[in-house]
Amino acid sequence: GQQLNQSPQSMFIQEGEDVSMNCTSSSIFNTWLWYKQDPGEGPVLLIALYKAGELTSNGRLTAQFGITRKDSFLNISASIPSDVGIYFCAGRHSGGSNYKLTFGKGTLLTVNP
Amino acid sequence: NAGVTQTPKFQVLKTGQSMTLQCAQDMNHEYMSWYRQDPGMGLRLIHYSVGAGITDQGEVPNGYNVSRSTTEDFPLRLLSAAPSQTSVYFCASSYRTSGSRSTGELFFGEGSRLTVL
Repeated sequence: GQQLNQSPQSMFIQEGEDVSMNCTSSSIFNTWLWYKQDPGEGPVLLIALYKAGELTSNGRLTAQFGITRKDSFLNISASIPSDVGIYFCAGRHSGGSNYKLTFGKGTLLTVNP
Repeated sequence: NAGVTQTPKFQVLKTGQSMTLQCAQDMNHEYMSWYRQDPGMGLRLIHYSVGAGITDQGEVPNGYNVSRSTTEDFPLRLLSAAPSQTSVYFCASSYRTSGSRSTGELFFGEGSRLTVL
């Protein structure tokens, strides 16, 4: 099956700091998605990427679709306490089913006020 | 907008009991799926469906059954619960993608927290 390596597993940062996390795949994806899960809730989509090299922003969040199509990055600038949660990357393979997403294991972000 | 609705939110079972986790969506999504979330394991796909009457296995299907009699509903059945099935279960749905016109966005429910003693 598909393998997605997401790093880091967890981060402890001070409010105001920038955050970077990434995912790498053992194979090519044609879609990369980034989700955030607040405690006790289901994941919510933050950013969707559909083209190699694409750079997309959503407020303080910026994500990039790697040019090799095997990786993606998420950056959060000027973190605030409500950024706390688990961030998941997810990818869709370029072949086979158009529906199934493979998820990374998540990055747990803690922001100290 | 209701989106994806899961019931129950919490459930405690004894080993060997059976139960059904309900999932309903009101967005007319063709694709529905069930994931389980365990610490350090991320989200793992259990079963999925690309339309009414069509289901298929995901990464961890053992011990679970599904059916899709309508577009709106996708229940997950545990026939004989085991402690290893203690987890948080998420139902998710999306539009069916086609070629390069992929929206990709999965909409998740709030989760069902299951404990098997």
